[in-house]
Formats: sequence, structure tokens, C-alpha cells
Amino acid sequence: QVQLVQSGAEVKKPGASVKVSCKASGYIFTTYGISWVRKAPGQGFEWMGWISGYNGNTNYAQKLQGRVTMTTDTSTSTAYMELRSLRSDDTAVYYCARARSEYCSGGSCYFAAGHYYMDVWGKGTTVSVPS
Amino acid sequence: DIQMTQSPSTLSASVGDRVTITCRASQSISTWLAWYQQKPGKAPNLLIYKASSLESGVPSRFSGSGSGTEFTLTISSLQPDDFATYYCQQYDSYSYTFGQGTKLEIK
Repeated sequence: QVQLVQSGAEVKKPGASVKVSCKASGYIFTTYGISWVRKAPGQGFEWMGWISGYNGNTNYAQKLQGRVTMTTDTSTSTAYMELRSLRSDDTAVYYCARARSEYCSGGSCYFAAGHYYMDVWGKGTTVSVPS
Repeated sequence: DIQMTQSPSTLSASVGDRVTITCRASQSISTWLAWYQQKPGKAPNLLIYKASSLESGVPSRFSGSGSGTEFTLTISSLQPDDFATYYCQQYDSYSYTFGQGTKLEIK
């Protein structure tokens, strides 16, 4: 079955960096992208960005541009999200999710590049940045 | 960014009830909308994509509708397993954004 297994919880000092991994199994990694989403305590979900599993193309949330880098290692079917210059408000649960674009209508199915919903999620990685 | 507003924030209902959750977008997103269910301590679970397409394995009591700026998630007959928090999410344009959530509670 399709599964995304994330790395373990992290505690970091302000100003440090964190790198979270997301190992995929049960599907061909290069045929789907990976989205990253976080949820801070008492806050809503925040989409962080997307990376193509095929060619490594990325699209980052404007708010995180310059602080976040998403990469993949296709040899191990693993996606990574690195966040730098950590602050206390980066404390959150970080999720990776498979990004899917297929939809079906009138008996035919289509791919919609640039329109990715998240069909399988990792269990989440807690990143704490105590002030 | 496109703002997504869900209502109500909390909904109290009983097993067997029909419930509807609304999600409004600050601008048209066509039908690029997904609905997720989340239970405490768990990752979200995809219910609906493309506004009205039921994800494989999701019970048929869940349905979605809408286009443009107004969308609804309906649960036709609440089951005990359905008490959770529900989120809408637009994927029309980057940065994708989520509604603030609707907590479905047992009355």
C-alpha cells in the first residue's frame, strides 16, 4: 500500500536549520510530486510548497521563499524539506503528502499540471523551536 | 493568497443526522477544491477532490458540491466515526490555502 514515512521529532534552537525526510513506498516515486504542509499549535494548515518527483521542480510558498528548500532522492524514493533560520513560530507538525493531479469526468481521466491535491499523508514530524 | 472561509466553526449533531459544511473562497477557484477529515493526533485523510469527486475507499455518505466561490461538504447520515474536524483546501493557484476547519461534535 502507498505509504509515506517521515523522520522523527526534532528540537532546534532559534536560528538553526532542520531537515525532515519523507520516504515513499508502494508507488513509483517519480510519477507523483510531494507537497509539504505544516500546522502550528492552535493554528490552521499552511501549505509550504511542492516538489516534482520526476524532475525536482519546486514551487514554494512566498512566505517561506529563501528559508525553505525541498529536494528528492529518487534512488531511495525520499523527499526532504529543509527549513533554515528557525524561529519560535516555526514550531509545528510538518507533514509530507503525495501530490496528485488526476481527475475523471465523463468517463475520461485527466492530469491537471499545477493543480495538486494531497491523497496520502505522512504521520507528521513535530519540530519544536523553543524560545 | 486566496482566503478560504469555512462555516460553521463548530457543529453539534447526532448519529443519523444529515450535516452540511460550507466553504467560501475569496475569488473563483473553479472546482479546484478538496475536503479532508482529521482526527486528533492523526494526519488528514482525503475525502473529496475536484469539488465533488469521492476519493476511493471513502464512504458514499460523503459528498461534495459547488464551483466558483461556494462549496459544500455533506454527510448524509452521520456515523460515530465521522466526529472529527473537516477542512477545505483550494488548489487552484499557489500558494494553496486551507479553511480554518469545522469541528463536528456529538450533540
